[in-house]
Amino acid sequence: EIVLTQSPATLSLSPGERATLSCRASQSVSDYLAWYQQKPGQAPRFLIYDASNRATGIPARFSGSGSGTDFTLTISSLEPEDFAVYYCQQRRNWPLTFGGGTKVEIK
Amino acid sequence: QVQLVESGGGLVKPGGSLRLSCAASGFTFGDYYMNWIRQAPGKGLEWVSYIGTTGDTTLYGDSVKGRFTISRDNAKNSLFLQMSSLRAEDTAVYYCATTLGGGYHYYFDFWGQGALVTVSS
Repeated sequence: EIVLTQSPATLSLSPGERATLSCRASQSVSDYLAWYQQKPGQAPRFLIYDASNRATGIPARFSGSGSGTDFTLTISSLEPEDFAVYYCQQRRNWPLTFGGGTKVEIK
Repeated sequence: QVQLVESGGGLVKPGGSLRLSCAASGFTFGDYYMNWIRQAPGKGLEWVSYIGTTGDTTLYGDSVKGRFTISRDNAKNSLFLQMSSLRAEDTAVYYCATTLGGGYHYYFDFWGQGALVTVSS
């Protein structure tokens, strides 16, 4: 099973600041990695697929990069609605696995 | 519009059984593979099970293998998860989720609102 480790666990930032979230895989997942956003009481929202492609309707302030084992989700300038928990997910191997999440909170 | 609506959640005793349903609408259900994903209270996401478009292919996470069975009824646009030998650690919100977009596979671009399953005596 491919283990995804996200860091940091919590990121405390102010609106307008840049957020950089990390996801590290226990073995190469090529570029088969996605990112999701989840707010309390809601289902996750699909943001990024294949490491760097924004899903339909996702604002340009969200960007993804990386390949192999190291990936980054960047939010260029935090909007109030971006404070949430973010998860990465790999589809390189079954079982599909998720990272433990990074909470982006208001400082 | 596209909708996935889970039902069947509730409180069940350890060792008991429960069947979750997911009603799909707004898309051609039989053309898309489906998944169950769960989230324990205050915890992260865990993929549980996958079923192909015809139901011939099914996959399970190790934590539920042999206890849970995924199935679908394309004529009724419905997905199911039969859960047995339930344990306290199965307590979670269970989401049905699918991949509707083109250009990628095995990511989850559409989710239901979730059904809470609580396993407790």
